[in-house]
Amino acid sequence: KQEVTQIPAALSVPEGENLVLNCSFTDSAIYNLQWFRQDPGKGLTSLLLIQSSQREQTSGRLNASLDKSSGRSTLYIAASQPGDSATYLCAVRGTNSGYALNFGKGTSLLVTP
Amino acid sequence: ETGVTQTPRHLVMGMTNKKSLKCEQHLGHNAMYWYKQSAKKPLELMFVYNFKEQTENNSVPSRFSPECPNSSHLFLHLHTLQPEDSALYLCASSQGPVDEQYFGPGTRLTVT
Repeated sequence: KQEVTQIPAALSVPEGENLVLNCSFTDSAIYNLQWFRQDPGKGLTSLLLIQSSQREQTSGRLNASLDKSSGRSTLYIAASQPGDSATYLCAVRGTNSGYALNFGKGTSLLVTP
Repeated sequence: ETGVTQTPRHLVMGMTNKKSLKCEQHLGHNAMYWYKQSAKKPLELMFVYNFKEQTENNSVPSRFSPECPNSSHLFLHLHTLQPEDSALYLCASSQGPVDEQYFGPGTRLTVT
């Protein structure tokens, strides 16, 4: 069964810092990996989707990388802002798990002014 | 707005009640999903529908009954729930079953 781990569980940084969120997964046989953002009590907002054949994807200040062979993905946030405060979730769709997205528990990010 | 709406946004029900959650997507997608999000646990996939056909039931108790009348609408019928079923229930859709998923805002369910 695919296990997805996100480190750290929580992170607090001052505004303006560049930061890296980590995601690891146990089964490298994946279709794709998706990063989401979730604000308290709200649904998930898709940030980036990386296909298994890709190494990275970029959207604005966000850059996500994928190293399938080592079972790792990172989400890089440049020049963090207080509005980036949220929980960031990593989800992996494996080729051995049907259509299921397997989620990590998330990294709770707080960016202080 | 992601193009996926859910109603109601909040629901309180007793253990003997019957209620339904509704999800509607305006994205022209063919796959729809129900997820459960409990405190301190990862999101759990409950059901998957692709072209109105259920393709996955992730060992969900029968007190949860999904219905997908067409590709745009998905329901979750609830009856005789337990307090541990209190959670945020999230609906999602995607073009196909391996494509990017878009989530609704969720229904916060409390079972008393």
